[in-house]
Amino acid sequence: DVKVTQSSRYLVKRTGEKVFLECVQDMDHENMFWYRQDPGLGLRLIYFSYDVKMKEKGDIPEGYSVSREKKERFSLILESASTNQTSMYLCASRQGGGEEAGELFFGEGSRLTVL
Amino acid sequence: RKEVEQDPGPFNVPEGATVAFNCTYSNSASQSFFWYRQDCRKEPKLLMSVYSSGNEDGRFTAQLNRASQYISLLIRDSKLSDSATYLCVQGSGYSTLTFGKGTMLLVSP
Repeated sequence: DVKVTQSSRYLVKRTGEKVFLECVQDMDHENMFWYRQDPGLGLRLIYFSYDVKMKEKGDIPEGYSVSREKKERFSLILESASTNQTSMYLCASRQGGGEEAGELFFGEGSRLTVL
Repeated sequence: RKEVEQDPGPFNVPEGATVAFNCTYSNSASQSFFWYRQDCRKEPKLLMSVYSSGNEDGRFTAQLNRASQYISLLIRDSKLSDSATYLCVQGSGYSTLTFGKGTMLLVSP
């Protein structure tokens, strides 16, 4: 069974703290994504990566960075957490692109609260 | 900016009813469209892809109208277990997807 695993389901951090959200997929997918989901705003793409050490900004990259040192692992980093980064963070992965792209698989999400 | 617009609902329907959702998209160049389903406090999961010729999977039918730039999802004989949020999704790049904000469906006994 395919799987995207996010390391933390719930986190509570203080303003200014550095936060790491880890994501691992076991499907050997090329593409990995980080979204955040907020009520009334839906899913918004933060960053994505189409290969090891490659990254691209999504729609809302400000305040975030990412790391992809291995194909199966994609990390989201909040250098200095702020209260407006309180959200549900969803990692996803997908094989291929264009018309040949496969299904997008999501992890269970990491709910981050910044106090 | 690539947008996907949906009626947020909620759509309240009794069991057995037929319900339809539409969504409109702005990226006319997109070649791929999907419906994802998201249960409360769960991650989104693929419900079905949407093809130009339309496609059907059991009680679910998806249609694409390129001329008017909208996608539809029809659910026949609604079940209680169909209660969820339905996300309209458009391919927005080589591998990226743009999600609508979702339409909530509540099926009651």
